[in-house]
Amino acid sequence: QPVLTQPPSASASLGASVTLTCTLSSDYSNYKVDWYQQRPGKGPRFVMRVGTGGIVGSKGDGIPDRFSVLGSGLNRYLTIKNIQEEDEGDYHCGADHGTGNNFVWVFGGGTRLTVL
Amino acid sequence: EVQLVESGGGSVQPGGYLRLSCAVSGFTFNIYEMNWVRQAPGKGLEWLSYINGGGTTMYYADSVKGRFTISRDNAKKSLYLQMNSLRVEDTAVYYCARQTTNPLDHWGQGTLVTVSP
Repeated sequence: QPVLTQPPSASASLGASVTLTCTLSSDYSNYKVDWYQQRPGKGPRFVMRVGTGGIVGSKGDGIPDRFSVLGSGLNRYLTIKNIQEEDEGDYHCGADHGTGNNFVWVFGGGTRLTVL
Repeated sequence: EVQLVESGGGSVQPGGYLRLSCAVSGFTFNIYEMNWVRQAPGKGLEWLSYINGGGTTMYYADSVKGRFTISRDNAKKSLYLQMNSLRVEDTAVYYCARQTTNPLDHWGQGTLVTVSP
C-alpha cells in the first residue's frame, strides 16, 4: 500500500501564498490523493482530490477559489493564495488503496499551517 | 444539509469495551459507503474500518482487526463501531466519514475515547 509523506509544518503571512506537499511512495505515481483541512478542535473537511492531471471531480462544500491543486510525479500539491486567518490548521492528505479482497485508506502525517 | 454526529465516547479501562454511534441526516444513508477514522492526541489520521451501503462488505485496519466491528442500521440512519478489548493506544478522537465516489466528503465532529488504568 502507498505511504504518504508530508512536512510537519508550514507557515505563511496573511495575504501571501503557500504550497503544501504530499509525496507518494514510489510505484504509486498514478494514485490520486485527497486533501483535507482540519481547523483547531474540528473534524476534517474535504478540500479536493488531485491526480497527475490536476483536480479530480469537484471541490468540497464551501472551499474558496483561493485553493488549488497540482500533481507531478510522486508529488501532490495544495496551493492556498491570499491566505486568511481561517486557513490556519492541519492539512492531511489521504488515498484509498484496494487490492483483491482488501481495502484501506492511508493518510500522511499532516502539515500544520500557521498564518503569521 | 449533510450532518454526521458521533456519540458514545468516554473513559474506559484497558480490556473494556465501548460502542460508538454515528447518526446521520441530510442524505440518503443507504446508498453511501461509510468509514471510521481516528486521531490520537497530537497525531495524524488513522483509518479504522469501512462498510458498504448494504452492510454486506466490511474492511478493517490491521490495528483493530478482531477487536472492532463496524455495522449500520439503514432504517435508523446510523453507523456503529463496537470496540472490544480496548487498549491504552486506542485513546483518540473517533470520526465517522461518508465516502462518495472515493473521497471522504463529509465528516462528523468526533467523539473522544480515553482508555486508561
